[in-house]
Amino acid sequence: GQQVMQIPQYQHVQEGEDFTTYCNSSTTLSNIQWYKQRPGGHPVFLIQLVKSGEVKKQKRLTFQFGEAKKNSSLHITATQTTDVGTYFCAGLGDRDDKIIFGKGTRLHILP
Amino acid sequence: DGGITQSPKYLFRKEGQNVTLSCEQNLNHDAMYWYRQDPGQGLRLIYYSQIVNDFQKGDIAEGYSVSREKKESFPLTVTSAQKNPTAFYLCASSSINEQYFGPGTRLTVT
Repeated sequence: GQQVMQIPQYQHVQEGEDFTTYCNSSTTLSNIQWYKQRPGGHPVFLIQLVKSGEVKKQKRLTFQFGEAKKNSSLHITATQTTDVGTYFCAGLGDRDDKIIFGKGTRLHILP
Repeated sequence: DGGITQSPKYLFRKEGQNVTLSCEQNLNHDAMYWYRQDPGQGLRLIYYSQIVNDFQKGDIAEGYSVSREKKESFPLTVTSAQKNPTAFYLCASSSINEQYFGPGTRLTVT
C-alpha cells in the first residue's frame, strides 16, 4: 500500500537558522497537505499543494511539491521559538480515498 | 462556533473495560476520521467514514469499532480486545482541501 516517509524525525536548530523537512511517497499523489502540531496540541492545517512543481509561500514558510508528485518539502527561513512543534505531511494517493500521514518532523529551537 | 469537539479530554479506564470516545462536528463535512497518536509518533488511521452509515477500516482497526448513524457524529469504541489502548486519540473531519482536527482525547488504561 501507499507509504509516506518523512525525514528527519527530529531537528534541533539555533533560533534564526533555517529548517527543512522532506516528505517522500511510494506512489504518485493527487495532493499533499502539511500540518503543524504544537506540543500538547492537535494538528492544524497549514497548506495543500496540488500541481506538479507547485511552490507556495506563507511568510517564512516555503512549500514545494515535486515534479513527479511523489515528494514535497517544507522550508522555514530564520526560525523563531514560535515555530516549535511537529510538522506532518499527508498525502492523498491517486487511487486512494484516504489521506496517509508521514511520521512527522519534530522541530526544537535552541535559544 | 464551528468545529470539532471531542470529549472528554482525559479518560482513565481499567483494563478489560470497553470505552467510547465522542466526536462531534458541525462543519457539515461528509468525511470523518479517527487517528491514534503514540508519544513521539505520527498519526495512524484507525477508521474512517466517507458518508453516513458507511465506514472503512484504516491501518490499525483491530480492537476498535465505530458507528456513523448521523453526519455530525462518529464515536469510537476502544474494546477490551485492543492490546495497547493507552494513547492520544484524534478525530478529524474533512472538506476537499483540508482535515480539521478535534482537540483529542488522552486515554489511559491501567
